[in-house]
Amino acid sequence: SAVISQKPSRDICQRGTSLTIQCQVDSQVTMMFWYRQQPGQSLTLIATANQGSEATYESGFVIDKFPISRPNLTFSTLTVSNMSPEDSSIYLCSVETRGAGNTGELFFGEGSRLTVL
Amino acid sequence: GENVEQHPSTLSVQEGDSAVIKCTYSDSASNYFPWYKQELGKRPQLIIDIRSNVGEKKDQRIAVTLNKTAKHFSLHITETQPEDSAVYFCAAKGGSNYKLTFGKGTLLTVNP
Repeated sequence: SAVISQKPSRDICQRGTSLTIQCQVDSQVTMMFWYRQQPGQSLTLIATANQGSEATYESGFVIDKFPISRPNLTFSTLTVSNMSPEDSSIYLCSVETRGAGNTGELFFGEGSRLTVL
Repeated sequence: GENVEQHPSTLSVQEGDSAVIKCTYSDSASNYFPWYKQELGKRPQLIIDIRSNVGEKKDQRIAVTLNKTAKHFSLHITETQPEDSAVYFCAAKGGSNYKLTFGKGTLLTVNP
């Protein structure tokens, strides 16, 4: 398993501002994933963050809007830039752990609930 | 890419009854199928998973079945309890894709 700490847990932001979400894992992991969960919706992958390389973004998400840092194997940040009310959502950090004979389970942080006014 | 369809979107059962949630996937190369439970205001948590070399897996009151030919898998919860009330997500991963693709979720309500 993995213990994932995210902060802030929630925030209320003004339109046009940016917010950086931090994700700290208690063990070294190769890939960290950032998901968005809009109210009452499913989990949508924003990007995959690999240490030492550029993040890989999914269709519909761009680096200018969601810049990601991955300075080491236990930490990542996601910035939501130039926010609008449509960005109000829960943002979840996740990691995949691998054990013997295990494909890998995905563990999630508690999430960061953003409300944009 | 992978597409995962999940049904029903809402499910209401009486305590003690069984609940079944079904998912289909599109990529025949997918080989890992987890189920997540998300209680209100909480993070999604893995409750059971199945890999493509297995047809069924059971863990106490929870079981998952997989039909690779038909490309569908199902979650079965027996003897439901009010604490089973949550949103359940199915997901699929595999082939050339390292990413998990999630279904839209099922809101399960267990009435006491």
